Amino acid sequence: SYELTQPLSVSVALGQTARLTCGGNHIGSKNVHWYQQKPGQAPVLVLYRDTNRPSGIPERFSGSNSGNTATLTISRAQAGDEADYYCQVWDSSTVVFGGGTKLTVL
Amino acid sequence: EVQLVESGGGLVQPGGSLRLSCAASGFTFSIHWMNWVRQAPGKGLEWVANIKQDGSEKYYVDPVKGRFTISRDNAKNLLSLQMNSLRAEDTAVYYCARALFGDYSTFDYWGQGTLVTVSS
Repeated sequence: SYELTQPLSVSVALGQTARLTCGGNHIGSKNVHWYQQKPGQAPVLVLYRDTNRPSGIPERFSGSNSGNTATLTISRAQAGDEADYYCQVWDSSTVVFGGGTKLTVL
Repeated sequence: EVQLVESGGGLVQPGGSLRLSCAASGFTFSIHWMNWVRQAPGKGLEWVANIKQDGSEKYYVDPVKGRFTISRDNAKNLLSLQMNSLRAEDTAVYYCARALFGDYSTFDYWGQGTLVTVSS
């Protein structure tokens, strides 16, 4: 079965740029989606099909996907960006989520 | 405003059954794939199942195949998940999630979830 690998935690200084990675075999050939989840809340879609932002998501959120790594980039990180982030793909008729990365804004 | 409201969660003994419901409003339910996603306490997200707009296609994650059944009633804007032979490892918050129009695996709206606890 297909697996997605995310670092358990990433820290970023307030106002700096955070890069959250999602590794998978030839993930560059797949559409990758990213979700943000804050404690006690449902997940929120922040990027879909690698680079697309849903309405209401700030331009500070961007993405890329190539080779074996997809990346969610959060520019000018804010305290409100502190959350768990999950990448997700569709593979062999199933949805696969990464294990999630906890983003801490220092 | 798009709303997804889950219900039906609770405490159930191992081997028991439970039926979850998700009431949808604020959008044309019948044109979207719908999904169930769960999250065990303190753990990550796990997709459970999805169903095509007309109910003709359904997909499940391996651990629930043969035990869970996803269904929908487009006349009532209702998504359901029948869960049988429940196990301790099914304990989780279960979310109902809508797929983007024209897509089946990108979840643009989520409910607030309903907690299922499987324990004796």
